[in-house]
Amino acid sequence: EPEVTQTPSHQVTQMGQEVILRCVPISNHLYFYWYRQILGQKVEFLVSFYNNEISEKSEIFDDQFSVERPDGSNFTLKIRSTKLEDSAMYFCASSERQWGGDTQYFGPGTRLTVL
Amino acid sequence: AQSVTQPDIHITVSEGASLELRCNYSYGATPYLFWYVQSPGQGLQLLLKYFSGDTLVQGIKGFEAEFKRSQSSFNLRKPSVHWSDAAEYFCAVGHSGTYKYIFGTGTRLKVLA
Repeated sequence: EPEVTQTPSHQVTQMGQEVILRCVPISNHLYFYWYRQILGQKVEFLVSFYNNEISEKSEIFDDQFSVERPDGSNFTLKIRSTKLEDSAMYFCASSERQWGGDTQYFGPGTRLTVL
Repeated sequence: AQSVTQPDIHITVSEGASLELRCNYSYGATPYLFWYVQSPGQGLQLLLKYFSGDTLVQGIKGFEAEFKRSQSSFNLRKPSVHWSDAAEYFCAVGHSGTYKYIFGTGTRLKVLA
């Protein structure tokens, strides 16, 4: 069964450093998402992406975040200057269609630890 | 604002016992409702979803859920729990005006042998 993959599984970085989290969505999906879950808190939506454009973003997704589809298979989340509060599990997801009821398929997550 | 509440942070049941995990949502129109499960080291796996129609939906792994509009609830049930069901369960809501899901805080299920 096709699945979303994410690398790395765990990333440790120093505060102020840039990190790039990578995702490979399901191959025939065209809509991509990032969510995050701070330890002990809810899974929160960050951004959705289609056709090389952001289609929706949350207030969390400020200027230090960016997303990109650098090639036909990868989807990345960049955090330019990490803060302690960016420590979280980051989930990538993809879907065939983009409407509120379509199923989003999630990857296993990248645990980001900012020291 | 939309919200999803999972009142139980932790639930412990014995293997073979029945299970009900609660989910309540706050949204004006009919939402799209989802239950996901996350096993350690795994991604969020879809168990089942509700869009419209029959309010009792069947999912994978023997799970079912019932949408009750009057109670704004979408509780997940399983008649007989297996040790492999130990995981974290998330309820989520979508709707036609947005691409995002809103998640509850999750319920961690422990199964006693």
